[in-house]
Amino acid sequence: AQSVSQHNHHVILSEAASLELGCNYSYGGTVNLFWYVQYPGQHLQLLLKYFSGDPLVKGIKGFEAEFIKSKFSFNLRKPSVQWSDTAEYFCAAIVTGGFKTIFGAGTRLFVKA
Amino acid sequence: DTAVSQTPKYLVTQMGNDKSIKCEQNLGHDTMYWYKQDSKKFLKIMFSYNNKELIINETVPNRFSPKSPDKAHLNLHINSLELGDSAVYFCASSSSSYEQYFGPGTRLTVT
Repeated sequence: AQSVSQHNHHVILSEAASLELGCNYSYGGTVNLFWYVQYPGQHLQLLLKYFSGDPLVKGIKGFEAEFIKSKFSFNLRKPSVQWSDTAEYFCAAIVTGGFKTIFGAGTRLFVKA
Repeated sequence: DTAVSQTPKYLVTQMGNDKSIKCEQNLGHDTMYWYKQDSKKFLKIMFSYNNKELIINETVPNRFSPKSPDKAHLNLHINSLELGDSAVYFCASSSSSYEQYFGPGTRLTVT
């Protein structure tokens, strides 16, 4: 069955710390991968996406993610977090030609000022 | 210009009532969705329409009925509301690029 797993449910970091959020997917076929962010009280917004090509993708606000096909992973990284990065982060996947995007359970990040 | 809009933003109602949430997108997308986000922030797809046709209907109680009068609109009607229906409901749309654009959400509270 298609699934997206996020390893960490809650992460607490201090400002300037480095961030890595894990995401693994279970899909057959060509998969398209996304990270969305939901700031407190707001809707989900796209951070970055991977369809094909360079497995290291860069998104907004200094975030990047690396697609490692052999590990079925698409981890999100940021070298130095800020207090304003406090949010819920969702990994998501959809197979090419499909209509259903599967979202992970989300990781709540809290950055201490 | 708001890309995906929903009304109302907040909805407080009593058990047993019937309510509707409206969604409109001005992005020209072919596909629209309804998601339910529970108190633990888990996001679950409910329905998806592509060119006004229902293509995804997850295991949602039949008290929930979506309607897409045209490609730009996807409304959600809920009959006989229950306490467990309390959640934030998000509408979203996407094009062939699969990236989803979400509305601001409707926080439904059933008392």
